[in-house]
Amino acid sequence: RKEVEQDPGPFNVPEGATVAFNCTYSNSASQSFFWYRQDCRKEPKLLMSVYSSGNEDGRFTAQLNRASQYISLLIRDSKLSDSATYLCVVNRNYQLIWGAGTKLIIKP
Amino acid sequence: EAGVAQSPRYKIIEKRQSVAFWCNPISGHATLYWYQQILGQGPKLLIQFQNNGVVDDSQLPKDRFSAERLKGVDSTLKIQPAKLEDSAVYLCASSNHEGGTYEQYFGPGTRLTVT
Repeated sequence: RKEVEQDPGPFNVPEGATVAFNCTYSNSASQSFFWYRQDCRKEPKLLMSVYSSGNEDGRFTAQLNRASQYISLLIRDSKLSDSATYLCVVNRNYQLIWGAGTKLIIKP
Repeated sequence: EAGVAQSPRYKIIEKRQSVAFWCNPISGHATLYWYQQILGQGPKLLIQFQNNGVVDDSQLPKDRFSAERLKGVDSTLKIQPAKLEDSAVYLCASSNHEGGTYEQYFGPGTRLTVT
């Protein structure tokens, strides 16, 4: 079993819809969590950190559930420009463990 | 502020040949990472440097891969000899862990094709 697991998708979603991704991690010692975004044939870029209390940045909301060992990303009012791969990243003892990513395709 | 620079952007070699990649991190970033990203997968850490010291190279195939960061600034990653399964994008990233943030800034990557 991989330490960080994500549904690979692709998620095909109409523009304007709400979409949610989950990511599960196996090591309870994991300390901090992040969502990165990677456009096709581009490098990953930090989308947002995930805080224990949950956090929101515009249309994006991230949640952490330590008891169940998963994090989530919610995108509201999706835009065509949201089409990308979303990578879940877990920090454990200063090592970043990357998920394989979930591909999102927003359709007009 | 200039981003992470990598070269070359693309490289095509035959198996058993050697190849080297270069990375220049963001100025002042003490931590430098080399990742391998195979199509359809997340980045896999190959090696992490803190200044010019190695923090983690547990996933570096040391029989064929080597990396150095001699002066604590730029870094090179070498593969010798290359295998077909080394075809991937090699990403360099840097970070500055001030304030506990772990945001990594990535370069554009080097796309390696081994034939």
